[in-house]
Amino acid sequence: AQSVTQPDIHITVSEGASLELRCNYSYGATPYLFWYVQSPGQGLQLLLKYFSGDTLVQGIKGFEAEFKRSQSSFNLRKPSVHWSDAAEYFCAVDTGGFKTIFGAGTRLFVKA
Amino acid sequence: DAMVIQNPRYQVTQFGKPVTLSCSQTLNHNVMYWYQQKSSQAPKLLFHYYDKDFNNEADTPDNFQSRRPNTSFCFLDIRSPGLGDAAMYLCATSALGTSGGLSSYEQYFGPGTRLTVT
Repeated sequence: AQSVTQPDIHITVSEGASLELRCNYSYGATPYLFWYVQSPGQGLQLLLKYFSGDTLVQGIKGFEAEFKRSQSSFNLRKPSVHWSDAAEYFCAVDTGGFKTIFGAGTRLFVKA
Repeated sequence: DAMVIQNPRYQVTQFGKPVTLSCSQTLNHNVMYWYQQKSSQAPKLLFHYYDKDFNNEADTPDNFQSRRPNTSFCFLDIRSPGLGDAAMYLCATSALGTSGGLSSYEQYFGPGTRLTVT
């Protein structure tokens, strides 16, 4: 069955430190992969997406993600976290047929 | 700016009293989705419209209905809200295929409607 796993429920990093949020997926075909961010009380905003081609994709707000087929992973990274990055982050895979499966989310806390 | 708008942002209804949430979009996308999101959980897809074609997820309760009178608008009707229906309801849109710069599969979300059931 298709699934998305975000193993970290929450992560705390210091402002200015680097960040990596983990995402593993289970999907038989070549996946369309996404990272979305959700601030409290808001909808989801697309950070970046992977459809094909270069496995390192750049997104908005200085985020990037790397698709690793051998590890079924699509980890999100940022070299230097800002306090405004504190939010919930969702990894998602499009399985076709208008169905997107979201991971459970990772809440990011940023400490001064 | 093109966007997805949800009204109201906050809705309080009484147990069993029908409620309608609305969503509109200026993106001219052909697919519209409704998600339910409970606290600290991932969004759960309730149903979607592809143009006028409606598709209900298998586990969406009959209590939830939807209407899409035109491309721009989509409504979520909860016929008899229960306490367990209190949640954030998210509307999203997407375009399929590429046309004029539109991308496939990524979804554009509205800000959500927070539903409280008393």
